[in-house]
Amino acid sequence: EVQLVESGGGLIQPGGSLRLSCAASGFIVSSSYMSWVRQAPGKGLEWVSLIYSGSGSTYYADSVKGRFIISRDTSKNTLYLQMNSLTAEDTAVYYCARGAVAARFEYWGQGTLVTVSS
Amino acid sequence: EILLTQSPATLSLSPGERATLSCRASQSVNNYLAWYQQKPGQAPRLLIYDASNRAPGIPARFSGSGSGTDFTLTISSLEPEDFAVYYCQQRQFWPPLNFGGGTKVESK
Repeated sequence: EVQLVESGGGLIQPGGSLRLSCAASGFIVSSSYMSWVRQAPGKGLEWVSLIYSGSGSTYYADSVKGRFIISRDTSKNTLYLQMNSLTAEDTAVYYCARGAVAARFEYWGQGTLVTVSS
Repeated sequence: EILLTQSPATLSLSPGERATLSCRASQSVNNYLAWYQQKPGQAPRLLIYDASNRAPGIPARFSGSGSGTDFTLTISSLEPEDFAVYYCQQRQFWPPLNFGGGTKVESK
């Protein structure tokens, strides 16, 4: 059974950093197309970043490019999102999602809430 | 960048009625369009991929159609558990991977 469990969210001050984790089971992270998608309170879905199966090529939304880094740890079968220089506009529930095909979100975690506030 | 426009923003229907949701792309996405359902407090769930293919475990009352720029998600007969927000998403040209703004299907 495919499972994705996010962690690492919380309250952080503007300008701070946070690292989100997404622990995967039932499949191999490095053999899947893995993404982060966020949802600000009361708003729609916004794709954040994607890491390619195999090669590990990475892609980012313009809103986070240069501030966020997506990565994976094969030994831990875990996906990460390092978030730096956080602003209030980054406040959202962050979901990790898996696709067997690039850019398709077939499985989702339950999400972790990131609140950026002083 | 491809923009996706969903209509209507809100659809008020009764259980048993047919729901028709629209997603229009700013340029052709061929058939690379997916639909997701999201209930309050829950993660989204993939319903339809590549315009017309139901994801595993999705009931047959959900169907998708369209190609190019105009797509439709149809729920043939609404069940109580179908009242939710629905999003479309394209994967023809990216980044960015855009979602539509969503259609809320609410109980009349």
